[in-house]
Amino acid sequence: GAGVSQSPSNKVTEKGKDVELRCDPISGHTALYWYRQSLGQGLEFLIYFQGNSAPDKSGLPSDRFSAERTGGSVSTLTIQRTQQEDSAVYLCASSPRQGPDTQYFGPGTRLTVL
Amino acid sequence: SQQGEEDPQALSIQEGENATMNCSYKTSINNLQWYRQNSGRGLVHLILIRSNEREKHSGRLRVTLDTSKKSSSLLITASRAADTASYFCARTSIGTYKYIFGTGTRLKVLA
Repeated sequence: GAGVSQSPSNKVTEKGKDVELRCDPISGHTALYWYRQSLGQGLEFLIYFQGNSAPDKSGLPSDRFSAERTGGSVSTLTIQRTQQEDSAVYLCASSPRQGPDTQYFGPGTRLTVL
Repeated sequence: SQQGEEDPQALSIQEGENATMNCSYKTSINNLQWYRQNSGRGLVHLILIRSNEREKHSGRLRVTLDTSKKSSSLLITASRAADTASYFCARTSIGTYKYIFGTGTRLKVLA
């Protein structure tokens, strides 16, 4: 079956512009996670969803970052007024259920802020 | 930092040799997982080990967990060039579903 998909795969934007990153989880997966990975670094947790609600938003770096999930499926991560330090690969993962479970990762979106 | 520490940061071995990577953490865990990442993009799940387990195997992979030392190790036996990748441990703490990833070990297997 289809895996987790993310779009766009690459995004180049100018400082100060807003960007939207999309994640399509595996059908039926209730949990969805967003991570950020800077070059050569580990993954930084941003937010996770259980259904359409986000019990833990503690990883969002600033109020310029927001995320939503609709219909228990697609999720959008929005970064407003992008800064150069936002440049990174943004990874999305989904799990069949909440709790300690295997995460299935998408290929990521590489964001470059000029 | 909440990140776990993995060592070594980089490891280079010859094909056929065994590779061992270690992961340490600070808080009590619910479970610990190992992932592989090729070319800086999506991660692939390898093994999940729960806090009440001490060892798990999957093919050429062996994972151990020592909760008293707050550490885990991943052993890849008879390595292949295709095993070249970055390997990360990730854990959830009791009472939370947030995954904390380690800093990763970059493994290079020379043919």
